[in-house]
Amino acid sequence: DSGVTQTPKHLITATGQRVTLRCSPRSGDLSVYWYQQSLDQGLQFLIQYYNGEERAKGNILERFSAQQFPDLHSELNLSSLELGDSALYFCASSALGTANTGELFFGEGSRLTVL
Amino acid sequence: SQQGEEDPQALSIQEGENATMNCSYKTSINNLQWYRQNSGRGLVHLILIRSNEREKHSGRLRVTLDTSKKSSSLLITASRAADTASYFCATGGGSYIPTFGRGTSLIVHP
Repeated sequence: DSGVTQTPKHLITATGQRVTLRCSPRSGDLSVYWYQQSLDQGLQFLIQYYNGEERAKGNILERFSAQQFPDLHSELNLSSLELGDSALYFCASSALGTANTGELFFGEGSRLTVL
Repeated sequence: SQQGEEDPQALSIQEGENATMNCSYKTSINNLQWYRQNSGRGLVHLILIRSNEREKHSGRLRVTLDTSKKSSSLLITASRAADTASYFCATGGGSYIPTFGRGTSLIVHP
């Protein structure tokens, strides 16, 4: 058990809809990372938050947004969903910011299926 | 991008054999990490090697790092069926976000 909790584990929705994925990092970890894993794209970095502030952006679509709350949990919002958004979405946390990135602890992921 | 690229994409061996997978990256790093992913599960950190280290061991795992060639290798000795998984490398440290390649899919046949 990594200590990172992601909900929901599975989600099935229709094109055009909006979903919210939630992540609770390990106790004490300030950094949260979101990754998308699909068969054709591999594991893609989406966005990182550190202590409530956005720190880095990767290949995140404009239809997607995220935030980290004062209690350090994070949410990834996916809107106007398309078939191609079907993927595993992982949250990871670490104790450190980008100054000295160390080990990442991954949640079990949220599997999104868009029909 | 600090993306690591794993090679080979797929590896199939018999139980008891050694498995070697490689990782290449593009620019200077502070550390390189290897992760394992069982099918459909989250990634699990295996080992981190810092840029001033050349070799590191953890149980049946041996990692080497050659910063002059910008490459790393992960050796799993005496493989077991339970080692069947995908293995990813990720570079990190400094201002780098850990980024991952497509991984090496290892199948260990009993």
